[in-house]
Amino acid sequence: DAGITQSPRHKVTETGTPVTLRCHQTENHRYMYWYRQDPGHGLRLIHYSYGVKDTDKGEVSDGYSVSRSKTEDFLLTLESATSSQTSVYFCAISERDRANSYNEQFFGPGTRLTVL
Amino acid sequence: AQSVTQLDSHVSVSEGTPVLLRCNYSSSYSPSLFWYVQHPNKGLQLLLKYTSAATLVKGINGFEAEFKKSETSFHLTKPSAHMSDAAEYFCVVSGPYTGGFKTIFGAGTRLFVKA
Repeated sequence: DAGITQSPRHKVTETGTPVTLRCHQTENHRYMYWYRQDPGHGLRLIHYSYGVKDTDKGEVSDGYSVSRSKTEDFLLTLESATSSQTSVYFCAISERDRANSYNEQFFGPGTRLTVL
Repeated sequence: AQSVTQLDSHVSVSEGTPVLLRCNYSSSYSPSLFWYVQHPNKGLQLLLKYTSAATLVKGINGFEAEFKKSETSFHLTKPSAHMSDAAEYFCVVSGPYTGGFKTIFGAGTRLFVKA
């Protein structure tokens, strides 16, 4: 397995509280991603990073922010959690190969977040 | 614009029979295409990928997929299902778009394997 860890693995929190999820990689890959997985939707991209301090929004970024101060860490923050943010969150990493094609992503084990 | 459609939300097969999971895509550029598998309460694992080389791609665990540009399809097949194949499968398209690149996941197909 690619060296990707997520913490915490499970979290229960209350509406209105801030939550930060951490993704840590040991592969030195340039790209890092945060997805959420909900039944019937597959995975939807929240934010991604293409380098230290370089981030961009995905398709479901409202209510989320990210930061990447080091190559190995990518943080996802819910400033004020809502029940609609109850989901399983996956971090992924990838690197572009020499042909400039889009390489596969390697996924972390996921974080199950419940907002009450 | 890019999109991906998995044509079946659930597929049920008997052990030892062929598996077919269907995926159609739309892309303005030559995309990279992937199939991932997710076992219950696990992360996603790459089964195979197409990146403009051979159109018939072989993956792990006996799976393969054929890229058909004329049909904009990338169906996943396996000659003989095993109980351990029961999982959810995701078709993914990735490619450039204005200002960057985009990766789109299909909604998933859950494969059931009957003894």
